[in-house]
Amino acid sequence: AQSVAQPEDQVNVAEGNPLTVKCTYSVSGNPYLFWYVQYPNRGLQFLLKYITGDNLVKGSYGFEAEFNKSQTSFHLKKPSALVSDSALYFCAVSQFNAGNMLTFGGGTRLMVKP
Amino acid sequence: NAGVMQNPRHLVRRRGQEARLRCSPMKGHSHVYWYRQLPEEGLKFMVYLQKENIIDESGMPKERFSAEFPKEGPSILRIQQVVRGDSAAYFCASSPGTTGGTEAFFGQGTRLTVV
Repeated sequence: AQSVAQPEDQVNVAEGNPLTVKCTYSVSGNPYLFWYVQYPNRGLQFLLKYITGDNLVKGSYGFEAEFNKSQTSFHLKKPSALVSDSALYFCAVSQFNAGNMLTFGGGTRLMVKP
Repeated sequence: NAGVMQNPRHLVRRRGQEARLRCSPMKGHSHVYWYRQLPEEGLKFMVYLQKENIIDESGMPKERFSAEFPKEGPSILRIQQVVRGDSAAYFCASSPGTTGGTEAFFGQGTRLTVV
């Protein structure tokens, strides 16, 4: 069975400061890792994914994530936060033989204050 | 190219009624996934379908819930005899194939309220 943990329910950061949203996973075999963002009353928007290759993945809106196999982590980062980045962020994992069924973490609410 | 379309966006049902949620995948996508999101929680996988086939329904409650993806038309998630605990946001996602690592595209969801 696969699982995803997002240890922080909420992350607060000041505009212009770097942000990190944490994610750890548990899966047998090689994982496919994703970050999605959800704005209020909206669906999920894809941000980035790790499949293979370079451990640092760059995605939409200036976000990036670093895959760390030894720590089974896939933390989301951005060098300079914007107020408009305030939203709910979900980390998810799937496996190569499971179609694209995703197991999601519980989500982290990011609050960026001016 | 329209995205994943779900309707209705909001649905109110009285206890005991039936709820039908519809999902039209992105053009060219033959794989559909349904997820449920309870308030302030993450999304939980319910069912994975291809045209006319249920591939994995391990996340579906054993009773009252069913899903289909017919040869023609949208995918339907059907909840019979709804109860208050069914109140949630139901999201549909689609992808073009089974190749692992292909990102799924999500619809805007149907928010079901059972009164």
